[in-house]
Amino acid sequence: QSVLTQPPSASKTPGQRVTISCSGSTSNIGSNYVYWYQQLPGTAPKLLIYKNNQRPSGVPDRFSGSKSGTSASLAISGLRSEDEADYYCAAWDNSLSSWVFGGGTKLTVL
Amino acid sequence: QITLKESGPTLVKPTQTLTLTCTFSGFSLSTSGVGVGWIRQPPGKAPEWLTLIYWDDDKRYSPSLKSRLTITKDTSKNQVVLTMANMDPVDTATYYCAHVLWLGEYYYFDYWGQGTLVTVSS
Repeated sequence: QSVLTQPPSASKTPGQRVTISCSGSTSNIGSNYVYWYQQLPGTAPKLLIYKNNQRPSGVPDRFSGSKSGTSASLAISGLRSEDEADYYCAAWDNSLSSWVFGGGTKLTVL
Repeated sequence: QITLKESGPTLVKPTQTLTLTCTFSGFSLSTSGVGVGWIRQPPGKAPEWLTLIYWDDDKRYSPSLKSRLTITKDTSKNQVVLTMANMDPVDTATYYCAHVLWLGEYYYFDYWGQGTLVTVSS
């Protein structure tokens, strides 16, 4: 059972917008930055969002992140078939003295 | 361009010690603000952070695995080595190394290697 809670799956059609939630606690999301990773099938995780809402160079602005209290969200607009992947949130946990990850959300773009 | 690649055995027996090497390019571990970490991911499960080492040889370990882990660096070879003792079938996972960008008040893993699948079985 992951410290950060994500919905296990989401399903949308091309062009739609999806929001993936990540729920934590005061010791992780509530007091530290949140990071989001995209993992395409059979590949390594790729950084999508850092410091809650910042996009690394090369990440399209269709991807956006936000944080409020002990929860964070990843939004993807204008969905494309190539967005089908697993998405993970991550944060440092002060109580555990460890990085913690969400259980992942499998996004299907039908 | 930052790249990392993991290498090591694909199969280890229970109770053995696993040694993995991360060979990287595009950065130097002697540069301030840089580090390399290890993260593993069991099949079909979420990633789990293991350890990391900074440019100044400062090291951090996951508390739950600290007694079994050792991380070292060889700056001249652009390599970081992970050893994990007393391997068990539950340690079967893809092991990734990742570049750490340290910015003082926070740090994160921005570039990951392709990963190497390690199976623990007799």
